[in-house]
Amino acid sequence: AQSVTQLDSQVPVFEEAPVELRCNYSSSVSVYLFWYVQYPNQGLQLLLKYLSGSTLVKGINGFEAEFNKSQTSFHLRKPSVHISDTAEYFCAVSESMDSNYQLIWGAGTKLIIKP
Amino acid sequence: EAGVTQFPSHSVIEKGQTVTLRCDPISGHDNLYWYRRVMGKEIKFLLHFVKESKQDESGMPNNRFLAERTGGTYSTLKVQPAELEDSGVYFCASSQGDSSYYEQYFGPGTRLTVT
Repeated sequence: AQSVTQLDSQVPVFEEAPVELRCNYSSSVSVYLFWYVQYPNQGLQLLLKYLSGSTLVKGINGFEAEFNKSQTSFHLRKPSVHISDTAEYFCAVSESMDSNYQLIWGAGTKLIIKP
Repeated sequence: EAGVTQFPSHSVIEKGQTVTLRCDPISGHDNLYWYRRVMGKEIKFLLHFVKESKQDESGMPNNRFLAERTGGTYSTLKVQPAELEDSGVYFCASSQGDSSYYEQYFGPGTRLTVT
């Protein structure tokens, strides 16, 4: 993968409202796609991943993401956010033919939950 | 089972000094990765060990950085001499297995500040 773009550096949203965090990537080969979350003062945790199969992927804490190959996107969604979702979210890709599986990252999106 | 641990959690050093970061992967994980996030930018891959061998070190910024993984267990990343632009958060990740994809588990990171 050449690059990963997360279009929003911050997304403020009211509690219980839906949210979408956008991720686009550029690559000429097939990729694996990931969303990681970093809660305050914690490490990176895998939220969900797409390796193959169904393009709609469900992850932990009620998040899901949809792989759109034609648009090279992997947007993250949650129908109703909670204050505990306050964190920074990172989109990452790995080229499936690269046996190193090194991750190429977006710049991150801070999700800010307003009470 | 213990997760990936990193030491220290924070380090503040002066320009020109030497710092050594340590990563202990999950027991039995052959793959060990170092990543770095500088000043709110995207996380960048530094290098990848398979057991004690460097599989890919294409992300190492320059020869001031030296990574080792003695006996295929823990790894150290030494910066000598440190420069201001080396400030950032250094993440370590580990995964099990061979050439197939396995989830990378991340440590909490080491925040390095060079003054």
